[in-house]
Amino acid sequence: DAKTTQPNSMESNEEEPVHLPCNHSTISGTDYIHWYRQLPSQGPEYVIHGLTSNVNNRMASLAIAEDRKSSTLILHRATLRDAAVYYCILGIDDKIIFGKGTRLHILP
Amino acid sequence: GAVVSQHPSRVICKSGTSVKIECRSLDFQATTMFWYRQFPKQSLMLMATSNEGSKATYEQGVEKDKFLINHASLTLSTLTVTSAHPEDSSFYICSARVSPSSYNEQFFGPGTRLTVL
Repeated sequence: DAKTTQPNSMESNEEEPVHLPCNHSTISGTDYIHWYRQLPSQGPEYVIHGLTSNVNNRMASLAIAEDRKSSTLILHRATLRDAAVYYCILGIDDKIIFGKGTRLHILP
Repeated sequence: GAVVSQHPSRVICKSGTSVKIECRSLDFQATTMFWYRQFPKQSLMLMATSNEGSKATYEQGVEKDKFLINHASLTLSTLTVTSAHPEDSSFYICSARVSPSSYNEQFFGPGTRLTVL
């Protein structure tokens, strides 16, 4: 199974951009890269996904390295409501297996 | 986006009783639903995969006789924690997949916090 590696935690100031890295050196050619986040005491919510090209949506941007061995989730302007655990996940046998994720702290 | 609900959101029960948690897809049909458990400060752990009309597939180490899963319709899956004990206290989260797809998008419920006294 392809695995991901993320920093345990990160801090950012409010209203500044945040770059959340994810390494997935064993990714296969057909694995999509998904990002979910979990706010405190809530279920995870979908953030963004991509395969090869960079992706943008209203929540975030996803930058995927050319060799696809790493990706970066970009929050363009963090707010206090973005404080959450962010999970970088690869499609694995139709199941989502969560790693430890990155706990993002936003400083006011 | 698609909405998944869970009921109840919070439940407290006595040790030895059984608790049923419902997971519903409100605006779509879900052929597959998933059940996760999450202990404080830990990540989500997949317990089982539930397919409509068939038996659930449990992950290694999850007792199928203790955590009964029923997926009787395309919009409803239930998880019953039988003879609950304090160590079963946890945050239970379900998710639903709209249909098999190459990008495997799932929608998650808000979770059910179970406390066993």
